[in-house]
Amino acid sequence: QKEVEQDPGPLSVPEGAIVSLNCTYSNSAFQYFMWYRQYSRKGPELLMYTYSSGNKEDGRFTAQVDKSSKYISLFIRDSQPSDSATYLCAMSAGWTGGFKTIFGAGTRLFVKA
Amino acid sequence: KAGVTQTPRYLIKTRGQQVTLSCSPISGHRSVSWYQQTPGQGLQFLFEYFSETQRNKGNFPGRFSGRQFSNSRSEMNVSTLELGDSALYLCASSLGQLSSGNTIYFGEGSWLTVV
Repeated sequence: QKEVEQDPGPLSVPEGAIVSLNCTYSNSAFQYFMWYRQYSRKGPELLMYTYSSGNKEDGRFTAQVDKSSKYISLFIRDSQPSDSATYLCAMSAGWTGGFKTIFGAGTRLFVKA
Repeated sequence: KAGVTQTPRYLIKTRGQQVTLSCSPISGHRSVSWYQQTPGQGLQFLFEYFSETQRNKGNFPGRFSGRQFSNSRSEMNVSTLELGDSALYLCASSLGQLSSGNTIYFGEGSWLTVV
């Protein structure tokens, strides 16, 4: 079992739809949770950063972390064609050997005009 | 403010050769971490450097190595290249060490093709 599971998609939605992207994880030690957006042939761009459980909103984006269920989500409201990209979840934790960040496989999102 | 800069952007190497990739972090950032991204394995952590010292290492063979200079710039080297090393190599920088919960900012990456 992978430490972080993310449905690779692709996910296709019409413009204006609400998009829900999700990741589940198995290691309860994860404390920091991130969402990155990656356009084709570009490096990932940090969208949201959350520490521990709770919600965080930034414009059209809302990140949710439910540590009890080991489940994180990213919601995109009023989706636009420019949101078409791959979305990667990531989570980090310290451990006796150091510190690690694990990325999900990424979900490809297509927003149709 | 300039972002993370990686060079070269694209390169093709032959099996058995070695390659060096360069990364200039965001000004003021002292931590540089490296990642390999492939369609099959996704994004995987290679190592992190902070104050010229390797602080964390992922699960990659010793052929993958790196270093950091006093100006925080970093280089990554892969020796005895294999076909499976073909990937996008991403550098990321952060203000402090990853273990302090610092967020990372990625560069555009270096596309390596091994033939």
